[in-house]
Amino acid sequence: GQQLNQSPQSMFIQEGEDVSMNCTSSSIFNTWLWYKQEPGEGPVLLIALYKAGELTSNGRLTAQFGITRKDSFLNISASIPSDVGIYFCAGQLIKAAGNKLTFGGGTRVLVKP
Amino acid sequence: EAGVVQSPRYKIIEKKQPVAFWCNPISGHNTLYWYRQNLGQGPELLIRYENEEAVDDSQLPKDRFSAERLKGVDSTLKIQPAELGDSAVYLCASSLKTSTGELFFGEGSRLTVL
Repeated sequence: GQQLNQSPQSMFIQEGEDVSMNCTSSSIFNTWLWYKQEPGEGPVLLIALYKAGELTSNGRLTAQFGITRKDSFLNISASIPSDVGIYFCAGQLIKAAGNKLTFGGGTRVLVKP
Repeated sequence: EAGVVQSPRYKIIEKKQPVAFWCNPISGHNTLYWYRQNLGQGPELLIRYENEEAVDDSQLPKDRFSAERLKGVDSTLKIQPAELGDSAVYLCASSLKTSTGELFFGEGSRLTVL
């Protein structure tokens, strides 16, 4: 089945730093989404991308839908402590397997001690 | 507007016991999902409902798992009997349109099987 690989698996951030993470797939998707999950909570949608090449921002977050439709990246600018959490990418292929959404394994963002 | 509500938040049972989780989706959301999230991994779909109909249950281990959404609103996921490997967080989500991929998740039910 489809698999999404997220990189890095974990990262440490220092306040004010810009951070990047990406997601790659062996299959193409029509939609890429980025979710954030905090401890004890369910994932919350951050950004949704619906067209190849699309670049979308949500505050300090910027995400892009790769031209090949097999990858996406998420940038966080000027990170703050509340950016800590697990970021999941998710891909969806419309009208195949009933619009099933597939999640990556997550990138865990932690604060540098 | 109330979000997706799940209960219980935590459940600890011994193996071979039954367990059930309940979910009430956001009002007006016809699509309901049950996901399982193992420790350190992303959510994996167990079953998706469109109103009362289960339209994708290909990943549901049907020998021990069952789900229902009788009136097309709230839903129950049951495991009987539970095994050690079933320890995970069970997430319920709902959406207005499946085409957008925009899911609203509940807080999850954390199951520990001893």
